[in-house]
Amino acid sequence: SQTIHQWPATLVQPVGSPLSLECTVEGTSNPNLYWYRQAAGRGLQLLFYSVGIGQISSEVPQNLSASRPQDRQFILSSKKLLLSDSGFYLCAWSTRQYRELFFGEGSRLTVL
Amino acid sequence: AQSVTQLDSHVSVSEGTPVLLRCNYSSSYSPSLFWYVQHPNKGLQLLLKYTSAATLVKGINGFEAEFKKSETSFHLTKPSAHMSDAAEYFCVLFSTGGGNKLTFGTGTQLKVEL
Repeated sequence: SQTIHQWPATLVQPVGSPLSLECTVEGTSNPNLYWYRQAAGRGLQLLFYSVGIGQISSEVPQNLSASRPQDRQFILSSKKLLLSDSGFYLCAWSTRQYRELFFGEGSRLTVL
Repeated sequence: AQSVTQLDSHVSVSEGTPVLLRCNYSSSYSPSLFWYVQHPNKGLQLLLKYTSAATLVKGINGFEAEFKKSETSFHLTKPSAHMSDAAEYFCVLFSTGGGNKLTFGTGTQLKVEL
């Protein structure tokens, strides 16, 4: 069966520091991969999605970036965090048909 | 353009009473619709999905939803609420005409009281 791992689960970082959140999927090949952000009291915002290695689409201009160095690995990064980057980050994968998403457990980022 | 509207941001029920979470959608193409549940500080879990087969869809934990094209609705129901159902619920739309992307509702927070 397929599983998705996301880490770290919680992170407290100062403003201006770098960020790296990692996500890996097991038990499937060629998944579509996604990063979502969920700010307090708000819905889910799609940040990035990827249909293959090295292929990243950005949905929202921001100081975050994503990379997909391997088929089942998706990384969310920032060189300098802003206060507004605080939130709950969710990685997800789907099949090539773009239908239902399978989510990781999330990473809670607090920028101070 | 496609959109999803969850009509209630908060719903409160007593344990053992029915649950109704409302969702309306707008789509120019045949939609697929999903309900997800999110417990605090957890990822989203798929409850059920409609993908143009039976209009009454049964999901996990006793939840079901009915696709009504004439009303453009996909309401989530459960006959008897349990304390463990307290969570946030998201209605999600997928439409091939929407750039193959998912559109999330803003969520409904379900509170279950004793």
